[in-house]
Amino acid sequence: DTGVSQNPRHKITKRGQNVTFRCDPISEHNRLYWYRQTLGQGPEFLTYFQNEAQLEKSRLLSDRFSAERPKGSFSTLEIQRTEQGDSAMYLCASSYMTGDEQYFGPGTRLTVT
Amino acid sequence: GEDVEQSLFLSVREGDSSVINCTYTDSSSTYLYWYKQEPGAGLQLLTYIFSNMDMKQDQRLTVLLNKKDKHLSLRIADTQTGDSAIYFCAERYSSASKIIFGSGTRLSIRP
Repeated sequence: DTGVSQNPRHKITKRGQNVTFRCDPISEHNRLYWYRQTLGQGPEFLTYFQNEAQLEKSRLLSDRFSAERPKGSFSTLEIQRTEQGDSAMYLCASSYMTGDEQYFGPGTRLTVT
Repeated sequence: GEDVEQSLFLSVREGDSSVINCTYTDSSSTYLYWYKQEPGAGLQLLTYIFSNMDMKQDQRLTVLLNKKDKHLSLRIADTQTGDSAIYFCAERYSSASKIIFGSGTRLSIRP
């Protein structure tokens, strides 16, 4: 299967802990996106990379959040000092340079207790 | 401003057509999308339409765009139980990277 993959699929953590998620995009895709989805809502954009460069960050991405894509392939999203409000599904998507078709992974569901 | 609105629920009988409606506010949107999300899963890209098109058909799916009214619809012909899911309408500007999603319409199928 050459789709977008995300790990872990589920993460339960205690408030104040740090967590890191990984996304592996479709191999030939240049762009990689992170979105967050809370219950009953559509996904909201967080940030995106073109190759290894992080080109846009949403105001939703507080300074506790950091994303990297060091070699232009997989990406990680780290949340430091997690809060209960961080509980959500974190979705990764990838696309070619044009960005017309964004393909999503299965998501990582984060629960902060 | 950026806003995409959809009704929350739709119930249809198996075999009938489903029509899911969406309105968007930004007339400069270039791409309009329909995504499907099944429980606990990520989003599946169903189809999308450029703003210079009025209609796009792909097997059982028909997308209609009324640019004047900023109204987008998705018609699913011969609705099946496997079509039960949440359907998201979304928009994107050609110069932008992000897709802006509505809150989704939950489609349920009754026998």
